[in-house]
Amino acid sequence: DAGVTQSPTHLIKTRGQQVTLRCSPKSGHDTVSWYQQALGQGPQFIFQYYEEEERQRGNFPDRFSGHQFPNYSSELNVNALLLGDSALYLCASSLLDRSSYEQYFGPGTRLTVT
Amino acid sequence: SQQGEEDPQALSIQEGENATMNCSYKTSINNLQWYRQNSGRGLVHLILIRSNEREKHSGRLRVTLDTSKKSSSLLITASRAADTASYFCATYNSGGSNYKLTFGKGTLLTVNP
Repeated sequence: DAGVTQSPTHLIKTRGQQVTLRCSPKSGHDTVSWYQQALGQGPQFIFQYYEEEERQRGNFPDRFSGHQFPNYSSELNVNALLLGDSALYLCASSLLDRSSYEQYFGPGTRLTVT
Repeated sequence: SQQGEEDPQALSIQEGENATMNCSYKTSINNLQWYRQNSGRGLVHLILIRSNEREKHSGRLRVTLDTSKKSSSLLITASRAADTASYFCATYNSGGSNYKLTFGKGTLLTVNP
């Protein structure tokens, strides 16, 4: 049973560019959450998707947007990249009615903005 | 914003010793969870304790929760070099349309062989 997968593993972008990160949830899961983890910090919630709708959003600017597809996979898009967007981006999946206590995290995508 | 603060920020012990990490949080919670992260990779769920529980065990892990003090502790007994990692507490807050985990800044544990 495949767990949560994320692609790419690493990414280097230039300021002002746009980036798309991808996540495939654990088999059977229907809810996907995205977190940003800066170096030396804990993960911070970006948003959560269920049934292709954004269910909750954290304190991130509109440059951060997402999408969930009918197969429950998800994308995180960041526009107009800033140096401060350099971080590890983590995707977590869960079942809707178990998301309060059972979230599975992927290995993350490390984004470097130069 | 970070909900909790782990203490200490870094901890170095010898193999076989016990490691204790503490976490404080600010708001009412539904549950508190501890995660491990190896070398900046994905998070692994270790243990969950609900707000109406005071102590929970899982293998070499023992978690306590004091809701009156808004604090939790994670004890790892008989530590091994493989326990070297960052440990994060995360709270799931009760009420409203809140569905997120709120993480602390973590404790970096180094277990020396």
